[in-house]
Amino acid sequence: RKEVEQDPGPFNVPEGATVAFNCTYSNSASQSFFWYRQDCRKEPKLLMSVYSSGNEDGRFTAQLNRASQYISLLIRDSKLSDSATYLCVVNLVQGAQKLVFGQGTRLTINP
Amino acid sequence: IAGITQAPTSQILAAGRRMTLRCTQDMRHNAMYWYRQDLGLGLRLIHYSNTAGTTGKGEVPDGYSVSRANTDDFPLTLASAVPSQTSVYFCASSLHQGANSPLHFGNGTRLTVT
Repeated sequence: RKEVEQDPGPFNVPEGATVAFNCTYSNSASQSFFWYRQDCRKEPKLLMSVYSSGNEDGRFTAQLNRASQYISLLIRDSKLSDSATYLCVVNLVQGAQKLVFGQGTRLTINP
Repeated sequence: IAGITQAPTSQILAAGRRMTLRCTQDMRHNAMYWYRQDLGLGLRLIHYSNTAGTTGKGEVPDGYSVSRANTDDFPLTLASAVPSQTSVYFCASSLHQGANSPLHFGNGTRLTVT
């Protein structure tokens, strides 16, 4: 089983729709969680950290479910500019930077 | 402009040749990393450095070496390139090695080994 798994998609949704991705992780000792965004042929960029209590940044909401070992990303009122690949990232070891990246979920927002 | 600079942007390299990918950051970040990104496999860590003067092996270190002589520079060397090293290489840095320190990535180097 992969340490971090994502549905690769692609997800094709109309502009204005709400879309959600899940990401599962295998190590219950994982310490911190992130969503990164990567545009085609560009570098990944941090979208948001994921906190235990859940957190929201504008149209984006991230949640963590430790019991079921998954994190989610919800995008409301999707824009054309949201088209990108979304990478789930998990830090496995406390105090050391051992980040494991999921393979990414590709999202296309259609006009 | 503060950030991470990688060079070259792209390179075609004959198998067996030696190649150094350059990475420089001006954010005074302590930790630096090299990742490779391949279709269907995501980003995989090659080598990392938690602070100047120290380095460590990541998930896929074979065929690669790094050095960290100072805070700003973290070059990645392929001693004798092989076709399986064809990939997109990203250098990254973080303020420290702690769990909640996000990564900042360079623009990447597209390497093709023929």
